[in-house]
Amino acid sequence: NAGVTQTPKFQVLKTGQSMTLQCAQDMNHEYMSWYRQDPGMGLRLIHYSVGAGITDQGEVPNGYNVSRSTTEDFPLRLLSAAPSQTSVYFCASSYGELAGDTQYFGPGTRLTVL
Amino acid sequence: LAKTTQPISMDSYEGQEVNITCSHNNIATNDYITWYQQFPSQGPRFIIQGYKTKVTNEVASLFIPADRKSSTLSLPRVSLSDTAVYYCLVGLNFGNEKLTFGTGTRLTIIP
Repeated sequence: NAGVTQTPKFQVLKTGQSMTLQCAQDMNHEYMSWYRQDPGMGLRLIHYSVGAGITDQGEVPNGYNVSRSTTEDFPLRLLSAAPSQTSVYFCASSYGELAGDTQYFGPGTRLTVL
Repeated sequence: LAKTTQPISMDSYEGQEVNITCSHNNIATNDYITWYQQFPSQGPRFIIQGYKTKVTNEVASLFIPADRKSSTLSLPRVSLSDTAVYYCLVGLNFGNEKLTFGTGTRLTIIP
């Protein structure tokens, strides 16, 4: 199993550009989520999904969209990039939504917005 | 949502036992207590989870007192490869509670 994969690993955008961060998992997990990690801030939840066709907002959803058309994929879209979105983005998946279910994280995408 | 408090950083020498304590005074009855480890430039990785008393696996031990208002992660005989950030998570549901990983404890192992 590849686990959780993310592409790209690095990305530089100009203010106002849009892009999609890709996330895929091959563990048949129902729960998937996106976090951003800023220096000194820990990981904050952006959006999450409890299954195909179901998504919901996390703690910091503004400026991001998600969709979940399949169990495997959970892309994160930046609609109009801003310098404040410069961060490292992690995708995670788990069997269920309970905190007792182990979350598996991808390697991250380092995004810089100029 | 049970707020957690951990030391910002800790240093230890190789070969020693390291104990990292997390305070969670308003933990709810059904909340899980889970610890994750994060190496530089990687995503967090699950270490151990418990509900009460003591849990041990091949990597660490987790001590939880009867009132569950704190928990202590114990790493036996640490090595340089244990240098990482350690996060304590307390809650029942990742999504509904919008659980976040706080700033964690940055553990540095000294040769």
